[in-house]
Amino acid sequence: GAVVSQHPSRVICKSGTSVKIECRSLDFQATTMFWYRQFPKQSLMLMATSNEGSKATYEQGVEKDKFLINHASLTLSTLTVTSAHPEDSSFYICSAAALSGYTFGSGTRLTVV
Amino acid sequence: EDQVTQSPEALRLQEGESSSLNCSYTVSGLRGLFWYRQDPGKGPEFLFTLYSAGEEKEKERLKATLTKKESFLHITAPKPEDSATYLCAGLFSGGYNKLIFGAGTRLAVHP
Repeated sequence: GAVVSQHPSRVICKSGTSVKIECRSLDFQATTMFWYRQFPKQSLMLMATSNEGSKATYEQGVEKDKFLINHASLTLSTLTVTSAHPEDSSFYICSAAALSGYTFGSGTRLTVV
Repeated sequence: EDQVTQSPEALRLQEGESSSLNCSYTVSGLRGLFWYRQDPGKGPEFLFTLYSAGEEKEKERLKATLTKKESFLHITAPKPEDSATYLCAGLFSGGYNKLIFGAGTRLAVHP
């Protein structure tokens, strides 16, 4: 089946620094990938839709300058959290649409100290 | 606005005690209804996709059904390893291929 690999699984960074999260489709090409954020005991909230070769589409209330998304190839999308602050600490998950359906990465736990 | 609502928020079962989880959705424009299982600290794991009313799909102790206004995830004789959060999500017309998730049902199965 379709597999999405997400790295890193955990990252701790200092306040004010930037963190990059990678999402790769391993055995299929993904023209569209999705980035979600999940707080404890809450559901997935879509942050943005990443389109290969074009600008990402951000959901209302998501700061595009803070959460930079790049989708330069059909198998890789990256999310960069810029100038991270403790309130950005969360679980970030990517997803890609494959023929078999929507496949999710294993998530990245970001802790900003 | 397209919406997906899950109930109950949390469910505690004894091992072997069958039950059902509910997912209701905005009626117009549903293109597909998805069920996922999520374990703590992990990404969602795909379970089922349902496309039309009357459709049913099964996998081990789980069976998903779809009506014109809601979906059910039936769990038969659950085991402790079935403990997880179960998420449903809808794909709607005009939604630019993005899934709308419900809040999830946290299931705990005790021996």
